[in-house]
Amino acid sequence: QVQLQESGPGLVKPSETLSLTCSVSGGSMTSYFWTWIRQPPGKGLEWIGYIYYTGSTNYNPSLKSRVTISVDTSRNQFSLKLSSVTAADTAVYYCARTMAGKVHYYYYHMDVWGKGTTVTVSS
Amino acid sequence: QSALTQPPSASGTPGQRVTISCSGSNSNIGSNTVNWYQQLPGTAPKLLIYSNNQRPSGVPDRFSGSKSGTSASLAISGLQSEDEADYYCAAWDDSLNGRELFGGGTKLTVL
Repeated sequence: QVQLQESGPGLVKPSETLSLTCSVSGGSMTSYFWTWIRQPPGKGLEWIGYIYYTGSTNYNPSLKSRVTISVDTSRNQFSLKLSSVTAADTAVYYCARTMAGKVHYYYYHMDVWGKGTTVTVSS
Repeated sequence: QSALTQPPSASGTPGQRVTISCSGSNSNIGSNTVNWYQQLPGTAPKLLIYSNNQRPSGVPDRFSGSKSGTSASLAISGLQSEDEADYYCAAWDDSLNGRELFGGGTKLTVL
């Protein structure tokens, strides 16, 4: 059974770079997309972006200039970097395994989620 | 403001049937499949319905999804106290370079 675990600093200073890693256990990263999602306190879900196991990426346009997602299939991990953070980036960050593709339409659903990690941006 | 619109709240009594709506546009729900996620208090979201009306293994058949045009719905029949949670719809949006959109979420209260 595939499990995901987010890890990284819980506190980041304003203007610095937030760095998180998602470790995948119990399965292969091959043939899947891997997504980062965040949820500010008391608010809804926001899609940050995905990476395919081959390394191709797609980011939320609202975050694109600050986001980098990378993958290391040899270590069964993928990572998120978000630069120039502000208090608005304070959130629970989730990673998720994703099934995606295009037939006549796009399908994209996140079927396995990590438990999430809280990141606070504060000096 | 989310690109997918959900009512902020819904409620029902045990045993009742409730529905939660999700409204979008031609570039998202109108073109692609809809998923629903359930988030119990203090936990990570869980995939509840995918590809409009498919249930992952382990999801009770009390939960069902449908889609028509640019709108979708989640129905919960035989409402139970453990169904009290936040529910989010989601769909891929073809605009810009493509992105996944979530609804703002609906808090379901079991009275």
